[in-house]
Amino acid sequence: TQLLEQSPQFLSIQEGENLTVYCNSSSVFSSLQWYRQEPGEGPVLLVTVVTGGEVKKLKRLTFQFGDARKDSSLHITAAQPGDTGLYLCAGEGGSNYKLTFGKGTLLTVNP
Amino acid sequence: DADVTQTPRNRITKTGKRIMLECSQTKGHDRMYWYRQDPGLGLRLIYYSFDVKDINKGEISDGYSVSRQAQAKFSLSLESAIPNQTALYFCATSDSFAGVDRAGELFFGEGSRLTVL
Repeated sequence: TQLLEQSPQFLSIQEGENLTVYCNSSSVFSSLQWYRQEPGEGPVLLVTVVTGGEVKKLKRLTFQFGDARKDSSLHITAAQPGDTGLYLCAGEGGSNYKLTFGKGTLLTVNP
Repeated sequence: DADVTQTPRNRITKTGKRIMLECSQTKGHDRMYWYRQDPGLGLRLIYYSFDVKDINKGEISDGYSVSRQAQAKFSLSLESAIPNQTALYFCATSDSFAGVDRAGELFFGEGSRLTVL
């Protein structure tokens, strides 16, 4: 069974601060997805990283896939209250093209 | 209207009752999934279906069953609900990329909150 560990589990910061969320595994993934879930809604895909060492930017969000494709990070610059939500990483690997989800990081950005 | 619609959105029931959660999609995707979300445990896969004739167990299928009535419809049943099945349930869909063996992006419904007393 492939496991994804996310840290921290909870993060509460002030508007304007920077933060990094981590997603780690002992398994190799062929790709890794990041989702954001807001209260009362389902998760929505932010990005997919595929190549080891890949870096993708989405406005103030920077996603990195580790060289060995076992870990990933999400960095948010100058966080805003609208960034509040549950951030989930999901790795693809093994058979049947299923995703394995981490337990999530609940981010609260206070005005 | 939402591309992935779940009904009911909220349900309170009693132990031992049979419950069905329904999911319909207008995205035309072949693949459909049922996930369960519990605080601190993330999303766990219950069942998945890659086409109408295909049903597969996920990591936590015990106590659940599913039916893929059509490409657009995938229902989840709890034959005899118990309190530890109280959770937020999500249906999701994804496209099957012809010739590319990838999971692809999941599109989620808004969730069905089930409480079993």
